[in-house]
Amino acid sequence: GEDVEQSLFLSVREGDSSVINCTYTDSSSTYLYWYKQEPGAGLQLLTYIFSNMDMKQDQRLTVLLNKKDKHLSLRIADTQTGDSAIYFCAEGDSPTGGGNKLTFGTGTQLKVEL
Amino acid sequence: DVKVTQSSRYLVKRTGEKVFLECVQDMDHENMFWYRQDPGLGLRLIYFSYDVKMKEKGDIPEGYSVSREKKERFSLILESASTNQTSMYLCASSSFRGAQETQYFGPGTRLTVL
Repeated sequence: GEDVEQSLFLSVREGDSSVINCTYTDSSSTYLYWYKQEPGAGLQLLTYIFSNMDMKQDQRLTVLLNKKDKHLSLRIADTQTGDSAIYFCAEGDSPTGGGNKLTFGTGTQLKVEL
Repeated sequence: DVKVTQSSRYLVKRTGEKVFLECVQDMDHENMFWYRQDPGLGLRLIYFSYDVKMKEKGDIPEGYSVSREKKERFSLILESASTNQTSMYLCASSSFRGAQETQYFGPGTRLTVL
């Protein structure tokens, strides 16, 4: 089955860039997603990238996709204390079936230090 | 704004009790999902539904059942709660109308089984 892997922890200093990495196994995924989970809250969609793109930028967020290596990354520029959260990558099933299931990674806990 | 609500934020039950977790969405979404979230394991899909009275097993359905009698409501049932079902439970919904298969999440229910 599909497998999505992330490192569990990342610590950065405020103002630095953060890079959160993800590897996945299902090459048929149509979309790849980044979700953010703040303490005590549900998941919130941050951004997504279509599988035929290799980069997407959205303000401080840059998503890079290397489809050959099945590697996805999320770069947060000028990281702030409010960015401290758990970040999940996820991949989407082919849209030809029903249910559009997502497979989530294990999550990366980002800690931003002053 | 899409809103997904869950009936309780925190729940404490005893081993062997029957437990109901309720989820309601207000965006007329066809698809609804139940996940559990455990540290180091990310989100794992328990059950999902893409229509009223339809249900599909996810990756870890054992010990759980679901009910979808109305489009806006998806219930997760623990027939006889066990301590290894202590976890954070997240409900999500999505629509086939959305091009990017985005799932919207509720705030989660933290269930403790004693």
